[in-house]
Amino acid sequence: EPEVTQTPSHQVTQMGQEVILRCVPISNHLYFYWYRQILGQKVEFLVSFYNNEISEKSEIFDDQFSVERPDGSNFTLKIRSTKLEDSAMYFCASSEEARSIGGYTFGSGTRLTVV
Amino acid sequence: DAKTTQPPSMDCAEGRAANLPCNHSTISGNEYVYWYRQIHSQGPQYIIHGLKNNETNEMASLIITEDRKSSTLILPHATLRDTAVYYCIVRQNTGNQFYFGTGTSLTVIP
Repeated sequence: EPEVTQTPSHQVTQMGQEVILRCVPISNHLYFYWYRQILGQKVEFLVSFYNNEISEKSEIFDDQFSVERPDGSNFTLKIRSTKLEDSAMYFCASSEEARSIGGYTFGSGTRLTVV
Repeated sequence: DAKTTQPPSMDCAEGRAANLPCNHSTISGNEYVYWYRQIHSQGPQYIIHGLKNNETNEMASLIITEDRKSSTLILPHATLRDTAVYYCIVRQNTGNQFYFGTGTSLTVIP
């Protein structure tokens, strides 16, 4: 069964450093998403991406965040200057189309720890 | 925000059917009901979705009431691996994101 692959599984970074979280969506999917989950809290939407541009973003996705599809397979989330409160699980997801009637496929996540 | 209400936790005996309820009394006519689950901080896993009719797939069945104000996810023969948090989500029609609430923590007991 096709999978969304995320790397690394766990990243520790110092406050103020830049981090890049990487995702390889399912190959025929065209829409890509990032969600996050702070420990013990809800899964929260960050951003959706299609055709090399952001299609929707939440209030959480401020100027410190950016997304990019640098090649035909990878989809990245960059946090420019990490803060302690950015510590969370970050999930990438993909779908064949936006507002797809079917569900999204999520990756297994990257646990980001900011110290 | 989430438009659904779920019990915070439930137990189910292994091998028995798990019936997870969800209330969505303000659902709009063109909004679907989706179910996802999350096993121990892994990524959410899509289970099933429906609009009006009952649906069944290899994982579960979804029963939606005629007035669409509530639904039930049924895992016909629960196993220990079904222990997870189950999210009932009504799909917003103004965007393409899913709003996850707090879900129901299902524990399957041996």
